[in-house]
Amino acid sequence: ILNVEQSPQSLHVQEGDSTNFTCSFPSSNFYALHWYRWETAKSPEALFVMTLNGDEKKKGRISATLNTKEGYSYLYIKGSQPEDSATYLCAFSNTGKLIFGQGTTLQVKP
Amino acid sequence: GAVVSQHPSRVICKSGTSVKIECRSLDFQATTMFWYRQFPKQSLMLMATSNEGSKATYEQGVEKDKFLINHASLTLSTLTVTSAHPEDSSFYICSAQQTWTGTNEQFFGPGTRLTVL
Repeated sequence: ILNVEQSPQSLHVQEGDSTNFTCSFPSSNFYALHWYRWETAKSPEALFVMTLNGDEKKKGRISATLNTKEGYSYLYIKGSQPEDSATYLCAFSNTGKLIFGQGTTLQVKP
Repeated sequence: GAVVSQHPSRVICKSGTSVKIECRSLDFQATTMFWYRQFPKQSLMLMATSNEGSKATYEQGVEKDKFLINHASLTLSTLTVTSAHPEDSSFYICSAQQTWTGTNEQFFGPGTRLTVL
């Protein structure tokens, strides 16, 4: 059974704090690692699709790194803002399917 | 671009009734659509994969006669929960894929909360 683990499950930070989450995934048969941002009552929004070991991607204040050999990815948010409050999902892709972690729910207090 | 809608967003029904959920890709053609289910405090679990014009492929443990999937066009897939029971109460969400890119990039609808009384 392929397992994707995310930690922490939830996180409360103050506005302006920087934070990071972890996604662990199987290191064999790797195709891609996806990060999604999911706000309540909205569709999950794709943040990054990462395919190469050592990949680093950035979108504004959010960045992500990928280590396929050891099976982990980090998502970083620099200077968190209240609008960053959401659940962040990672998903491991192989054989044409996405296998999701449980998500990390971030709450940013003003 | 790449917008997926899902309807209804919320449905409450009586035990024994059937419920249909629609998933539409609004600005692209989706060769493949996926249906997921999420129970409280759990991850999104893939239920089935559907390709336009062919039968859906169900994941292990998902009853195909219970969860009927139709993908009749490149922009519409439907999930019908037949003879729904309280244990079918869950959050159902669809996603759509344009063409196989090797990364399995999927675009998601906003989901449907089903409550069976």
